[in-house]
Amino acid sequence: GIQVEQSPPDLILQEGANSTLRCNFSDSVNNLQWFHQNPWGQLINLFYIPSGTKQNGRLSATTVATERYSLLYISSSQTTDSGVYFCASPRGYGNNRLAFGKGNQVVVIP
Amino acid sequence: DAGITQSPRHKVTETGTPVTLRCHQTENHRYMYWYRQDPGHGLRLIHYSYGVKDTDKGEVSDGYSVSRSKTEDFLLTLESATSSQTSVYFCAIAGTSSEQYFGPGTRLTVT
Repeated sequence: GIQVEQSPPDLILQEGANSTLRCNFSDSVNNLQWFHQNPWGQLINLFYIPSGTKQNGRLSATTVATERYSLLYISSSQTTDSGVYFCASPRGYGNNRLAFGKGNQVVVIP
Repeated sequence: DAGITQSPRHKVTETGTPVTLRCHQTENHRYMYWYRQDPGHGLRLIHYSYGVKDTDKGEVSDGYSVSRSKTEDFLLTLESATSSQTSVYFCAIAGTSSEQYFGPGTRLTVT
């Protein structure tokens, strides 16, 4: 099945800094999701992005399906951005089960 | 936010007892999923459902069973809880687009 790898595994940011998280997947995908798990454990949908670029406030995501990667940009980071970011992709075309990466642990310090 | 609730939110139980976790949705979505999340393992799929009475196993299904008698409810049962089933359990739902939305989670401790 599809393999999803995320980098870097851990990231410490000074408040106000920008960062990029990367998600590589081993096979062609027809959609990709980014989630944020906050320190209280809640999983929040950030982006559903099969291809192209989307923006939501200080966050944006780009998926290049032909090259099998997606990037999540955090600009002007805030302490509330701390947590774990997961990307996930279907295990195959027409498959509604997701394969998750192991996550990017982000800590934003004031 | 997607209308997903899980109950109970926290539970402590003893080894060998049966436990049932409930996931309830108000979105009328076809697909429902149960995951467990453990340190070092990320999110792992236990079972999923693609319609009423239609369920299938995920990657860590041993020791778990599920039932879906109504579109809105998906139950996860641990027939005889073991300490290795101490975990945080998440329910998720998805419609035709396959975009998944997660519930708030249930923290289960088996002593």
